[in-house]
Amino acid sequence: QKEVEQDPGPLSVPEGAIVSLNCTYSNSAFQYFMWYRQYSRKGPELLMYTYSSGNKEDGRFTAQVDKSSKYISLFIRDSQPSDSATYLCALFGGSNYKLTFGKGTLLTVNP
Amino acid sequence: ETGVTQTPRHLVMGMTNKKSLKCEQHLGHNAMYWYKQSAKKPLELMFVYNFKEQTENNSVPSRFSPECPNSSHLFLHLHTLQPEDSALYLCASTIGGTQNTEAFFGQGTRLTVV
Repeated sequence: QKEVEQDPGPLSVPEGAIVSLNCTYSNSAFQYFMWYRQYSRKGPELLMYTYSSGNKEDGRFTAQVDKSSKYISLFIRDSQPSDSATYLCALFGGSNYKLTFGKGTLLTVNP
Repeated sequence: ETGVTQTPRHLVMGMTNKKSLKCEQHLGHNAMYWYKQSAKKPLELMFVYNFKEQTENNSVPSRFSPECPNSSHLFLHLHTLQPEDSALYLCASTIGGTQNTEAFFGQGTRLTVV
């Protein structure tokens, strides 16, 4: 079983839609949960960061973590064409102190 | 800009060439990383340097050779590469030690091996 599973999509939605992006993981040692956004021809940039179960909100973005189910989500409300990018979940923890990334989900928001 | 600069942005090289990728960070971080990003695959961690010491070599073939002369600079020396090595190579930095949660990435070098 892979440490982190993420549906690569692609996912195409109309402008204004609510977007749900998800990752599952197998290692309960992961302690920190992040979402990175990567625009075409750019490096990934940190979008959201959380370390506890529950929700964390930042503007139109909400990160949700369910440690009991080993499931993390990113919700985007009122999606905009500028949100079109690849979204990568990243998990950190355990004894090796390194980030483990999902494959990334390619999102397109159509005007 | 994230404070991590990679050069060149694009590189085309033959299988017998020798080239180097360069990464520089201006964030005062102490840990630097090389990642490989291929289509349809997760980011693959290649090498980690923590306080200039190589702490991880993730079973990377010897045709990739990293060098970290100081905390601000990281190189990836390439020689006799294969076409399957074509990918986006990303450099990242973190504070260092056990505080390696937030990684700052460069724009990447798009490498094509012909």
